[in-house]
Amino acid sequence: KQEVTQIPAALSVPEGENLVLNCSFTDSAIYNLQWFRQDPGKGLTSLLLIQSSQREQTSGRLNASLDKSSGRSTLYIAASQPGDSATYLCAVSGGGADGLTFGKGTHLIIQP
Amino acid sequence: EPEVTQTPSHQVTQMGQEVILRCVPISNHLYFYWYRQILGQKVEFLVSFYNNEISEKSEIFDDQFSVERPDGSNFTLKIRSTKLEDSAMYFCASSPIPGPGNTIYFGEGSWLTVV
Repeated sequence: KQEVTQIPAALSVPEGENLVLNCSFTDSAIYNLQWFRQDPGKGLTSLLLIQSSQREQTSGRLNASLDKSSGRSTLYIAASQPGDSATYLCAVSGGGADGLTFGKGTHLIIQP
Repeated sequence: EPEVTQTPSHQVTQMGQEVILRCVPISNHLYFYWYRQILGQKVEFLVSFYNNEISEKSEIFDDQFSVERPDGSNFTLKIRSTKLEDSAMYFCASSPIPGPGNTIYFGEGSWLTVV
């Protein structure tokens, strides 16, 4: 059974810092990996999707990498801003109509 | 930008009552999903739905739950005889097809409180 773990569980940094969020998964036979953002009491906003054949994806100040063989992904946030404060979720797909398996998330606070 | 919409945003129900949560997926999407998130816990997959039938379901999705696409736009989750432990945020999601490059889009969620 796929398990997804995210480290750290919480992170608080001053504005402007670059930071890295980590995600690991136990079964490397994934279809793709998605990073989501969740604001309190809100839905999930997709940030980046990395297909199993890809190594990384970039969107603005966000860069996600994938090392499928070692079961790891990282989300790099450059020049963090207070508006980046949210919970960041990593989720992997086993393929087809299989549901996503989520990690518990990293709760990020960017101090102004 | 197209979005998945869910109603109600919050519902309080008595234990033992039936609840129907409604979703309008993005219009050209073909796969639909329900997930739930108990407070403080992980988001969990419940069920996927394609071509008017269930494609996959998790062990959570037992006989208490059912899904339906009653018309061309709505997708519903019915929870029969609700229990206290059904209290959670329920998310609807949709995707064009579940290809490796296709993002799954989530709604804002329906918060269910069973008392």
